[in-house]
Amino acid sequence: GAVVSQHPSWVICKSGTSVKIECRSLDFQATTMFWYRQFPKQSLMLMATSNEGSKATYEQGVEKDKFLINHASLTLSTLTVTSAHPEDSSFYICSAGDSNNEQFFGPGTRLTVL
Amino acid sequence: GEDVEQSLFLSVREGDSSVINCTYTDSSSTYLYWYKQEPGAGLQLLTYIFSNMDMKQDQRLTVLLNKKDKHLSLRIADTQTGDSAIYFCAESMISDKLIFGTGTRLQVFP
Repeated sequence: GAVVSQHPSWVICKSGTSVKIECRSLDFQATTMFWYRQFPKQSLMLMATSNEGSKATYEQGVEKDKFLINHASLTLSTLTVTSAHPEDSSFYICSAGDSNNEQFFGPGTRLTVL
Repeated sequence: GEDVEQSLFLSVREGDSSVINCTYTDSSSTYLYWYKQEPGAGLQLLTYIFSNMDMKQDQRLTVLLNKKDKHLSLRIADTQTGDSAIYFCAESMISDKLIFGTGTRLQVFP
């Protein structure tokens, strides 16, 4: 089946630094990728929809200047958390849709900001 | 509006059946999904059902959809300890946007 990878799987950073998370579709091309955030003991929250070659569409309440999304190719989307703070600590999950519109989820990236 | 609700917690004895329920509000959903999340891991798609179907069975899993009541359920037959996890239902909108429920924590005891 289709595989989506994320890198890194876990990152710890100091407050004020920026962190980049990669999402790759390994064996299929994804024109659309989605970025989710999961707070402890809560459901996933869609942050933004990432479209290859165009600007991402952000959900209401998500700061686009803080969470920079780049979808440079059909197999790679990146999420950069700029000037991270402890409240940004969370589990970030991406998903990618194949040509049948079935979505495949990455394993997630755990971000801890000290 | 878009809202998907689940009960938070379910506890069953090993070997019994588990039924996890989900209600949603948007009738324009195209697909409805069940995902499993084990501790520290990402979501794993268990099964899905197209919105014009009533039932889908896949080995130990049975999905029932009542579109009139906007109610979705996942039945796990012969529940095992390895089934202990958080289960999320999700509805897929026409735009492919996924709306997730709050998740149900299933605990299976011997």
